[in-house]
Amino acid sequence: QKEVEQDPGPLSVPEGAIVSLNCTYSNSAFQYFMWYRQYSRKGPELLMYTYSSGNKEDGRFTAQVDKSSKYISLFIRDSQPSDSATYLCAMTGSARQLTFGSGTQLTVLP
Amino acid sequence: ETGVTQTPRHLVMGMTNKKSLKCEQHLGHNAMYWYKQSAKKPLELMFVYSLEERVENNSVPSRFSPECPNSSHLFLHLHTLQPEDSALYLCASSQSPDRSVETQYFGPGTRLLVL
Repeated sequence: QKEVEQDPGPLSVPEGAIVSLNCTYSNSAFQYFMWYRQYSRKGPELLMYTYSSGNKEDGRFTAQVDKSSKYISLFIRDSQPSDSATYLCAMTGSARQLTFGSGTQLTVLP
Repeated sequence: ETGVTQTPRHLVMGMTNKKSLKCEQHLGHNAMYWYKQSAKKPLELMFVYSLEERVENNSVPSRFSPECPNSSHLFLHLHTLQPEDSALYLCASSQSPDRSVETQYFGPGTRLLVL
């Protein structure tokens, strides 16, 4: 079993739709949860991070963590074509290394 | 130059060649990382350098050899690679690997094709 499971997609939505991206994990030691966005031919860039359970909002993006279910989500409201990218979840506990999901490819159609 | 830069951006090599990938960070960070990104697979951490200490993933073959001459530069030396080593190689840096929040900044990657 992989430590982090992420549906690879691809996921296509019309412009303006609400997008939900998800990851599940098995390691209960994970405490810090991140979402990275990776555009084609670019490296990943940090989008959001949260500590432990709860929600965090930043503009059109909301990150949710449910540690009891070992489930994290990223919601994108009013999605734009510029949001088209691969979204990677990542997480870590007290160790220095990040564990990544395999990424979900998102296309927002104009 | 700002952020994390990598050269070359694309590399094609034969299995008997020797080549090196270069990474430079302009962020004043003191930890640097090499990752391998293959299609539909999670990023695989290959090596971490922090304050001259190296941590490596024991599953990385010896045909990959890292070098970190200082906190701003990182190299990945490649020799006798296999076709399955074809992937995107990403370099990243962070302020300190001992901080709880691992905010890593990535370079654009080197797309490697081994023939």
